[in-house]
Amino acid sequence: DAGVIQSPRHEVTEMGQEVTLRCKPISGHNSLFWYRQTMMRGLELLIYFNNNVPIDDSGMPEDRFSAKMPNASFSTLKIQPSEPRDSAVYFCASSTPEGQGPDTQYFGPGTRLTVL
Amino acid sequence: AQSVTQPDIHITVSEGASLELRCNYSYGATPYLFWYVQSPGQGLQLLLKYFSGDTLVQGIKGFEAEFKRSQSSFNLRKPSVHWSDAAEYFCAVGAGGSYIPTFGRGTSLIVHP
Repeated sequence: DAGVIQSPRHEVTEMGQEVTLRCKPISGHNSLFWYRQTMMRGLELLIYFNNNVPIDDSGMPEDRFSAKMPNASFSTLKIQPSEPRDSAVYFCASSTPEGQGPDTQYFGPGTRLTVL
Repeated sequence: AQSVTQPDIHITVSEGASLELRCNYSYGATPYLFWYVQSPGQGLQLLLKYFSGDTLVQGIKGFEAEFKRSQSSFNLRKPSVHWSDAAEYFCAVGAGGSYIPTFGRGTSLIVHP
């Protein structure tokens, strides 16, 4: 299994530009999560989907952020317009019910975003 | 709401020495507890998790953790550290019907040869 795939791995953009981050979850997983990691705030959950439906987007910082999951194998996180304070590492993770106890989240390698 | 505290930002140990990373949680009932490891430039990988039963949990890479309800703790241990264990370690807590973990700020492990 290839694991969770994220692209691009690195993104450098200028303030005001649109940024789109992409994620392919592990095949068969029905939950997908977007996290943001910064030195200041640590690892924050932005949004998560279950069966392609957004369940909780309370962590999305503001309207400039949007996420979609058009099908079970693809999700995007878009920032428009981007700002320097959006600079962070963005992780995608996926999971599936394991029958007992909490599900294990499998993380992608992350996208390091730098907004100049 | 649940929360988790990792009191140590950095821990330095010598290769071959034992390791204990501290984690304290706040939640009124029995929580789900996790330890994840993040190697440089990588995503997080689950080391182990606790949700019920035996309070001593074995994980991958020789790690174990013990749930102590009386101390609200879930400390991670390893008897002998290898240089490849140098990484960032995150404790996380999930509660109630939500299996989605809330992460601590992490502890950076430095291993001296």
